[in-house]
Amino acid sequence: AQTVTQSQPEMSVQEAETVTLSCTYDTSESDYYLFWYKQPPSRQMILVIRQEAYKQQNATENRFSVNFQKAAKSFSLKISDSQLGDAAMYFCAYKRAGAGGTSYGKLTFGQGTILTVHP
Amino acid sequence: KAGVTQTPRYLIKTRGQQVTLSCSPISGHRSVSWYQQTPGQGLQFLFEYFSETQRNKGNFPGRFSGRQFSNSRSEMNVSTLELGDSALYLCASSFDRSAGKLFFGSGTQLSVL
Repeated sequence: AQTVTQSQPEMSVQEAETVTLSCTYDTSESDYYLFWYKQPPSRQMILVIRQEAYKQQNATENRFSVNFQKAAKSFSLKISDSQLGDAAMYFCAYKRAGAGGTSYGKLTFGQGTILTVHP
Repeated sequence: KAGVTQTPRYLIKTRGQQVTLSCSPISGHRSVSWYQQTPGQGLQFLFEYFSETQRNKGNFPGRFSGRQFSNSRSEMNVSTLELGDSALYLCASSFDRSAGKLFFGSGTQLSVL
């Protein structure tokens, strides 16, 4: 079974600074997707960034970028120029790729990292 | 485009009762998934529905069930509620099932007394 581990229960950053959230995962699959989701106090999970395992290039979305190390099974999220609105719980998630009923709709999530942004 | 809508936002029930939660996906999304979120267990996958059929199921007892209607709206039902069922229940919809991009609602917070 796949597992996702976030070893940092809490992180903090000063506004305008950069912070990196860590995530490791375990899988025997070669093709999969990795995600970072953000959950603010409103409780809605918001997709931040997505990485396809077969792509070597790291995904980037504006101030958010990832460092994907497939061999090490590591997937960290870097937030640049942190803003107060970035404060939230961040979840790393894994999904098996390909067709097949057991992969549809199912993400495996880590335990989350609470990010605090100080003004 | 409207996002994923879940109703109600809060619910209080007592042990032994049953409850039904509702989820309206983003227009055009035909896949709906349900997740349970608790402080202890984190986010756990319950099941996925597509074209009115359950296609994938997580490791939950049979007291947890669901259905999907022809307009892709979905309901989740929990019978014989237990204290441990207290949780945030999140619904997510997707357009491309294989790509894994899920769009979540704000959830229903269920408290079982």
